[in-house]
Amino acid sequence: GAVVSQHPSWVICKSGTSVKIECRSLDFQATTMFWYRQFPKQSLMLMATSNEGSKATYEQGVEKDKFLINHASLTLSTLTVTSAHPEDSSFYICSALGGGKTGELFFGEGSRLTVL
Amino acid sequence: AQSVTQLGSHVSVSEGALVLLRCNYSSSVPPYLFWYVQYPNQGLQLLLKYTSAATLVKGINGFEAEFKKSETSFHLTKPSAHMSDAAEYFCAVSEGRGNQFYFGTGTSLTVIP
Repeated sequence: GAVVSQHPSWVICKSGTSVKIECRSLDFQATTMFWYRQFPKQSLMLMATSNEGSKATYEQGVEKDKFLINHASLTLSTLTVTSAHPEDSSFYICSALGGGKTGELFFGEGSRLTVL
Repeated sequence: AQSVTQLGSHVSVSEGALVLLRCNYSSSVPPYLFWYVQYPNQGLQLLLKYTSAATLVKGINGFEAEFKKSETSFHLTKPSAHMSDAAEYFCAVSEGRGNQFYFGTGTSLTVIP
């Protein structure tokens, strides 16, 4: 199946700093990528839909100025957590929409963010 | 609107026993249904998917699921649990390419030696 790579897997940062997480589709082109946030023992919460070459579509309640999403190419989307605070600590997962009619989602490995 | 319900947030089975994880959905159109597995601190991996072909779908690692339209269900089963099956399982529904995925709340499977 298609491969989606997410980097970094783990990141620890100080409060007030910004952190960038990359999501790459390694063997296919992804015009649409999704960013999720997952709290411990909970399901995935969709944060935003990222479309190549256009602005991301954010879900209600997600601060677009805090979670900057860029999808500049067909294989790369980035999520930047700006001015991070401890409450932003979480597991962030990206996914890319594969080809074909069913539009199966392929997931990255996830990124564990800890803000001190 | 679509929704997914996974009955039982935690399921425990003995090694070698049958695994049954339940998923019910609501959709206004014929859905595409998926089961994903998540191991600790990892992303989600596709186990299997239903895309309007055969109602009994076989996936990886010996898992299978049956689409039952009359019951709006897509339960995941495995005849004999293995220790390596211990993980979080998510059921998801979509109305097709480009449409949003809706995930269930997940079921944590524990396999007892």
